Amino acid sequence: AQTVTQSQPEMSVQEAETVTLSCTYDTSESDYYLFWYKQPPSRQMILVIRQEAYKQQNATENRFSVNFQKAAKSFSLKISDSQLGDAAMYFCAYRNPVGGATNKLIFGTGTLLAVQP
Amino acid sequence: NAGVMQNPRHLVRRRGQEARLRCSPVKGHSHVYWYRQLPEEGLKFMVYLQKENIIDESGMPKERFSAEFPKEGPSILRIQQVVRGDSAAYFCASSPDDRAYGYTFGSGTRLTVV
Repeated sequence: AQTVTQSQPEMSVQEAETVTLSCTYDTSESDYYLFWYKQPPSRQMILVIRQEAYKQQNATENRFSVNFQKAAKSFSLKISDSQLGDAAMYFCAYRNPVGGATNKLIFGTGTLLAVQP
Repeated sequence: NAGVMQNPRHLVRRRGQEARLRCSPVKGHSHVYWYRQLPEEGLKFMVYLQKENIIDESGMPKERFSAEFPKEGPSILRIQQVVRGDSAAYFCASSPDDRAYGYTFGSGTRLTVV
């Protein structure tokens, strides 16, 4: 069974600085999808960034980028120029290849990010 | 609002009562997923439904929990005879088909059992 591990329960970063959140996963599949979700106090789950395993290029969305190391099964999230609004719980998630019955997302336990002014 | 609508946002039930959680997917989405988030934990998959069909219920507890997604109307997650351990946030998500990259999540229903 696939698993997702986030080993940092809490992280803190100064405003305007850069922070990296770690995520490792375990799977026997060669093709899959990885995601980072943000959950602010409102509880809304917001998709931050996604990565297809068959793509070697790391995904980037504005200030958010990932370091995808397929062989190491590592998928870290880098937040540059951190802003107060980035403070939230961040979840790493894995999904089998799209299509079919196994459409579920498997989540890590989350990292609570605090942004200091 | 074209997002996933969940209601109620907060639900308080006494032990032994029934809880009904409703989810209206994004208009045009025919695939619905339910997840549960226990305190201090990530989201755990419960069930995946298409209209009138349960596709994957591998995360559903064997007893007291059921889900449906009828041809008309919202998806319903039903918890019978609730216990304190059922207290959690329950999230619904939807997608247009099984090949979509990701889902649209609702804001969740926080169930408190007293």
